[in-house]
Amino acid sequence: QVQLQQSGTELVKPASSVKISCKASGYTFTINYMHWIRQQPGNGLEWIGWIYPGNGNTKYNQKFDGKATLTADKSSSTAYMQLSSLTSEDSAVYFCARGYNYWYFDFWGPGTMVTVSS
Amino acid sequence: DIQMTQSPSLLSASVGDRVTLNCKASQNIYKNLAWYQQKLGEAPKLLIYNANSLQTGIPSRFSGSGSGTDFTLTISSLQPEDVATYFCQQYYSGLTFGSGTKLEIK
Repeated sequence: QVQLQQSGTELVKPASSVKISCKASGYTFTINYMHWIRQQPGNGLEWIGWIYPGNGNTKYNQKFDGKATLTADKSSSTAYMQLSSLTSEDSAVYFCARGYNYWYFDFWGPGTMVTVSS
Repeated sequence: DIQMTQSPSLLSASVGDRVTLNCKASQNIYKNLAWYQQKLGEAPKLLIYNANSLQTGIPSRFSGSGSGTDFTLTISSLQPEDVATYFCQQYYSGLTFGSGTKLEIK
């Protein structure tokens, strides 16, 4: 069965960076898009971007260009998202989600909470 | 960017009720719409795609309809386990979500 296992809660300082992971299992990692989605406290959902692990191609929501960097390691079936220059506005839960193409999200990880605080 | 507006933001209904949630796009998105259910503390779950296709494993009491700019998610007989926030998402141009409808039991 498809599973997405995300790394644990992060408490990070302002102006720093954080890299969170999403390990996929139960399907062929290289032929499905992997998306990242942000949910700020009490708020809705925002799409950050996708990566196609087969060739490393990426596409970002313009809002997150320069903030998020998506990578993937085919050997371990793991996708990564690095967030840089963190501010309190980046405090949120971040989900990875398998994409049905680049359209909608058919399986989601449990989420990684990132808290930015000094 | 295409804006998605959901209504109502909060809906209270009784077990067994037929419940209708609405989602309106700021421009024509044809049938490029998905619905998700998010229970408290959990990740969203895909319910409906292509506006009216039921995702595998989702109970048949859930259904979706609409095309163009106006869409509806219907729960034919509300169950206690349906308490959640429901989001719509368009994928016609970019990927954007509505702000959600929180569904509670009266």
